[in-house]
Amino acid sequence: DAGVIQSPRHEVTEMGQEVTLRCKPISGHNSLFWYRQTMMRGLELLIYFNNNVPIDDSGMPEDRFSAKMPNASFSTLKIQPSEPRDSAVYFCASSLMGGRMLYEQYFGPGTRLTVT
Amino acid sequence: AQKITQTQPGMFVQEKEAVTLDCTYDTSDQSYGLFWYKQPSSGEMIFLIYQGSYDEQNATEGRYSLNFQKARKSANLVISASQLGDSAMYFCAMRGLGGGADGLTFGKGTHLIIQP
Repeated sequence: DAGVIQSPRHEVTEMGQEVTLRCKPISGHNSLFWYRQTMMRGLELLIYFNNNVPIDDSGMPEDRFSAKMPNASFSTLKIQPSEPRDSAVYFCASSLMGGRMLYEQYFGPGTRLTVT
Repeated sequence: AQKITQTQPGMFVQEKEAVTLDCTYDTSDQSYGLFWYKQPSSGEMIFLIYQGSYDEQNATEGRYSLNFQKARKSANLVISASQLGDSAMYFCAMRGLGGGADGLTFGKGTHLIIQP
């Protein structure tokens, strides 16, 4: 079974450029999460979707960040314009959601973003 | 709000010894789940084990077990018979059982090094 797929795996861009990160969740999962990992702040939740609907974007650092989930098998995280402090590893994760069950989240391999 | 505390930034353990990684948590949720993830040097996040707040028995998964003490708000990970391949960062995380699939709140992690 394919796990969570993220692309690109590495991205190097210059300050001011637009960056788009992509994620394909595990088939059948109905929740999708974007996290960011930095040395200073650790792992932080940026935004999550249930059934393609954004539920909580309070972790999105500022208006330069936006995320979409146009269908159950695809999500994007966009940074425009990018800044050096956005350099981090961005993880996408997916899980099932429903009832009183708490399901584990499965993470993609991450996208390592470097903004120069 | 949820908070995870991992008080051991790093640990050195001899191969074949048992390891206990500490995790304490704080939450106002009545129902919640506790998770452990492993992050090797390659960077991926690997789900290890899950404990629900209403589970009466401690979770076990192969060499991993979770020592859950609800009154003390602790969820320590125990690795039996450690192996060199267990060297990695280990993150404790939690999420509440709200109306939707809440994102994970992570601790800062413990860097475990298994020595031959």
